[in-house]
Amino acid sequence: AQSVTQLGSHVSVSEGALVLLRCNYSSSVPPYLFWYVQYPNQGLQLLLKYTSAATLVKGINGFEAEFKKSETSFHLTKPSAHMSDAAEYFCAVTPGALNFGKGTSLLVTP
Amino acid sequence: DTEVTQTPKHLVMGMTNKKSLKCEQHMGHRAMYWYKQKAKKPPELMFVYSYEKLSINESVPSRFSPECPNSSLLNLHLHALQPEDSALYLCASSHRFEGPGANVLTFGAGSRLTVL
Repeated sequence: AQSVTQLGSHVSVSEGALVLLRCNYSSSVPPYLFWYVQYPNQGLQLLLKYTSAATLVKGINGFEAEFKKSETSFHLTKPSAHMSDAAEYFCAVTPGALNFGKGTSLLVTP
Repeated sequence: DTEVTQTPKHLVMGMTNKKSLKCEQHMGHRAMYWYKQKAKKPPELMFVYSYEKLSINESVPSRFSPECPNSSLLNLHLHALQPEDSALYLCASSHRFEGPGANVLTFGAGSRLTVL
């Protein structure tokens, strides 16, 4: 079975600082990995996905993630945080229905 | 049209009421999903429909009854719910449930349910 673990339930960064949200996966088969973002009182929006085409994946809103098989990781980064990035971020894995990590709440301070 | 539309956005019901949540997509997707999300928690899978047939029921209590009338519509019928069922209910769809390649889910905005 496939699963993901998100390290850190809360991450706080200053506006303009690097954002790093951590996700490690466990899978017996090559996984498909996703990052979703959820703003307060809204549904989930796809940020980016890894489908084995390229290890460095660029997504929306300036986010990117790198698939590292040797580390079983798929960490999400953004070079410069913006106040509007404050949200809940979920890493997820398929095949089949999505299995989500527990989520990381990102706080951006002025 | 690249959206999943859920109605109502908010629903308050008593424990003896019968109500329904509705979900609609016009992207030609053949897989549809219901997830339940409690506050500060990740979404939990409830049901999966593939080509209008129920493929997965994650041991959901029978007071939740899903229905897929056609490939564009997904309903969740609610009856005799408990206060602990209060949550955000998310609908999602994807091109297909099984098969090669990544299964990318598109989510609706959710229906926030409060059971009194």
